[in-house]
Parts: sequence; C-alpha cells; structure tokens
Amino acid sequence: GAGVSQTPSNKVTEKGKYVELRCDPISGHTALYWYRQSLGQGPEFLIYFQGTGAADDSGLPNDRFFAVRPEGSVSTLKIQRTERGDSAVYLCASSLTGGTTGGGYGYTFGSGTRLTVV
Amino acid sequence: SQQGEEDPQALSIQEGENATMNCSYKTSINNLQWYRQNSGRGLVHLILIRSNEREKHSGRLRVTLDTSKKSSSLLITASRAADTASYFCATPNQAGTALIFGKGTTLSVSS
Repeated sequence: GAGVSQTPSNKVTEKGKYVELRCDPISGHTALYWYRQSLGQGPEFLIYFQGTGAADDSGLPNDRFFAVRPEGSVSTLKIQRTERGDSAVYLCASSLTGGTTGGGYGYTFGSGTRLTVV
Repeated sequence: SQQGEEDPQALSIQEGENATMNCSYKTSINNLQWYRQNSGRGLVHLILIRSNEREKHSGRLRVTLDTSKKSSSLLITASRAADTASYFCATPNQAGTALIFGKGTTLSVSS
C-alpha cells in the first residue's frame, strides 16, 4: 500500500480481555517496528522485526505482550489480560532496511491504534 | 529509557517567526532524526543527519548536529500555522536496532 495501515483506529476493551492490533506496512519494507505512546510522551519502543523474525523485543513490557509477523509483511501485536495501564496509542512503523536509518529515509509511521482499557 | 530530550517542552510563536528546538542525547550515535506529529496522527520523518555531518537543510528546515556536545537543533524558518505540531528527536538505541524518541517539543504557531 501507499502508507502504513493500522487497524482498528480505535479499540475499547474491558480489563482482562485479549486484544489484537494489526499493522500493514509499506510493501517492500523489510523492517517493522511497534511503539506505544502515552499522552504527552514520546513513542516508546516495543519490538522490531526484520523479515519474519523478532530481531529485538527488549521493549515489550511483560509477557502479556506478544507480536508476530509470520510472512514478513503484516504484523499483529497481541495483548493478553489487558490492564488499564495498557491504555495508549500503539504505533507501527516500517522502513526500507533494518537498523535505524531506514536506508536514509527514516521510518514511516501509521496513524496508530488508540487502545482504551476500561 | 529515553535517549534524547527536547528543549523547550513548549514553544509559542507568531507566523513568520523562526522556531528553534534543541535535543540533547547521552551516548554516541551514528545518526539523529527529527519527526513531526500532528495531533492524533502518526509521526512524519523530517530529516536525518549522520554523525559525520554538521548541518543539513530541507526546505525551511535546518538541522545542526554537534557530536562533541551531544546535541542537535532544529530550526524552522518563516513558520506557518500549519507547522503547529509536536516535534521529536530520535536516536539509535544502544543495540542499534531501533530509534528511541524524546518527549518532544510542542510548537504552536498563531496567525
């Protein structure tokens, strides 16, 4: 696609429920990143995929969070037993190459999924 | 933990004025990037400067990098109301695998 697509744009869930957030990156971008952004803060790194594999998952806050990218394109961020503290905007980004320069073009971000846990 | 910290946290100016935002970081880097975020939307990549560069321009944007002081600045010249947004600097994490973002500077340009 032309940009990074994230669905849903908004998700309200009850505490304790399971949620899945989807990211469809730019076609041909090998690297995919998940970030979480709370109000008034910068994006917080969660996980980085190079192709199908999670190359760096050091930002996942605990084992309730898991992400997959089975075919090296679409990725799904999964959160089990959601807590009110999980409420945030979840951002996905992709880049042409791995690492941090994105081949000199940086990262392209989606518009995010606003998750609210009530 | 956040690598870069922007200063000031908030900036209000009139259209036509210049806006300067600063970013300080802690460890050695090979590149530094600036992003813009309009309210409620995703981030947009503005400019990337490598550690062997001191200054870079893109349209009305000018970025400087001083690796000895571990700091960068973003200058927006002749600002417009449409420049109203949050601006973030981003630097590589220690593993070099992903970008770490600061808390941002919120710029408000009034007409």
